[in-house]
Amino acid sequence: SQQGEEDPQALSIQEGENATMNCSYKTSINNLQWYRQNSGRGLVHLILIRSNEREKHSGRLRVTLDTSKKSSSLLITASRAADTASYFCATDERASGTYKYIFGTGTRLKVLA
Amino acid sequence: DAGVIQSPRHEVTEMGQEVTLRCKPISGHNSLFWYRQTMMRGLELLIYFNNNVPIDDSGMPEDRFSAKMPNASFSTLKIQPSEPRDSAVYFCASSFVGYYTFGSGTRLTVV
Repeated sequence: SQQGEEDPQALSIQEGENATMNCSYKTSINNLQWYRQNSGRGLVHLILIRSNEREKHSGRLRVTLDTSKKSSSLLITASRAADTASYFCATDERASGTYKYIFGTGTRLKVLA
Repeated sequence: DAGVIQSPRHEVTEMGQEVTLRCKPISGHNSLFWYRQTMMRGLELLIYFNNNVPIDDSGMPEDRFSAKMPNASFSTLKIQPSEPRDSAVYFCASSFVGYYTFGSGTRLTVV
């Protein structure tokens, strides 16, 4: 079963604009992660945010987490054509001693040059 | 580090045949995960191992699927017999703590 649902399912923007993707999940988590998948490739880890963190930055990426709403957002600033990919959030289940992550449905981002 | 290595990259097989997918995790990673990705169902966790021991196989669709991890550097996912609905991209991922490193996947087509 899928824990996370990304919104929107697809997003098309112009190069230089900001892209915002949202993720909602169902149960309590320890961590939430965002991954990128280029067409025909495996997923690449972008950023991890812990349940006691509210915001995290990495380069042009900004992630927020609202555990009261069970939601997270990924902001990509000053987007580039190379950012075109699918983006997934992944949440862990509070099972002790494990790092089992469930992935959401993904947002397909297209950045137009 | 070569990353997570999966083989083969592509597999086309006839319905009813046995298919074996292979994965070599990153050295030192103690958890290994098999996922299946389709357009309809997205990324599904099939099974994961911790220290070579299967922890949760609740995602394995049916008895036709089996997975093994005989040692820390090798895992297999076997489908016997294969069916057209098994067509998907199968990913292996490994982790030590926290985030995953994914392989490039095996694209399986069952005709």
